Amino acid sequence: NAGVTQTPKFQVLKTGQSMTLQCAQDMNHNSMYWYRQDPGMGLRLIYYSASEGTTDKGEVPNGYNVSRLNKREFSLRLESAAPSQTSVYFCASSASRGRFNTEAFFGQGTRLTVV
Amino acid sequence: DQQVKQNSPSLSVQEGRISILNCDYTNSMFDYFLWYKKYPAEGPTFLISISSIKDKNEDGRFTVFLNKSAKHLSLHIVPSQPGDSAVYFCAASASFGNEKLTFGTGTRLTIIP
Repeated sequence: NAGVTQTPKFQVLKTGQSMTLQCAQDMNHNSMYWYRQDPGMGLRLIYYSASEGTTDKGEVPNGYNVSRLNKREFSLRLESAAPSQTSVYFCASSASRGRFNTEAFFGQGTRLTVV
Repeated sequence: DQQVKQNSPSLSVQEGRISILNCDYTNSMFDYFLWYKKYPAEGPTFLISISSIKDKNEDGRFTVFLNKSAKHLSLHIVPSQPGDSAVYFCAASASFGNEKLTFGTGTRLTIIP
C-alpha cells in the first residue's frame, strides 16, 4: 500500500521555467490537497480538491494551477517559476467520515529550488 | 491572519519526563483538531485527533486536551522518548463548508537523553 506518492522528490528550476508536480493516492480518498512548507510559516494550503472534478483555492494560490485528473491524481503546475516559490511541497489526501473529517495522509514531499 | 498558532518554536525535554505542546486557535468554526509529527525529509504523519464534542483523547503515550472556551489545545507525551524528537504541527478544520486543514507553524521538540 503506497499511500500518497509524489514525483519528483527534488527539482531545480530557473526563473521563468514551468513544471508540474505529480501526486497520486491509492486510498480511494475524495479530498486531495497541495501544501507548501516554508521556515517559520508552517504548512500553507495552496489548492485543494474536495472531489473529482472540483478544485478550490487555498491560502496561497497565486502562481499555481492544479488539475484533478481523476480520483487518484492531483497535479500542481507552476507556469512561470519565481524564486519565491522555492519551498517544500506536500501533497495530501483525506476521506470524510460523517460529520467529522478524517486525518490527511501526506506524501514525502518535493523540494523545489528556483534560481 | 494566523488562525492556528503555536507560540513556542522549540521545546527541549528530558527523556522520561512529560512533553507539553500547546496550540491556540481563533476561528470558532473549527470543530476538529489534529496533531501531526514530522521528521526531516519526510511528510507529516498523523498522530492523534480530537473532535469538539470531547475535551480529551488518549492514545498510548499521547493525550490531547481541548479547552473550547479558551480556544486552546495541548498535546501531552508521557513518558518522552528520544524517538519523539521531531517537529509537531497542530491543525484544525471546520466540518461544514469545506474540509481543508489549517496548520500552525510547528514546534520543534527535542528529547534530551
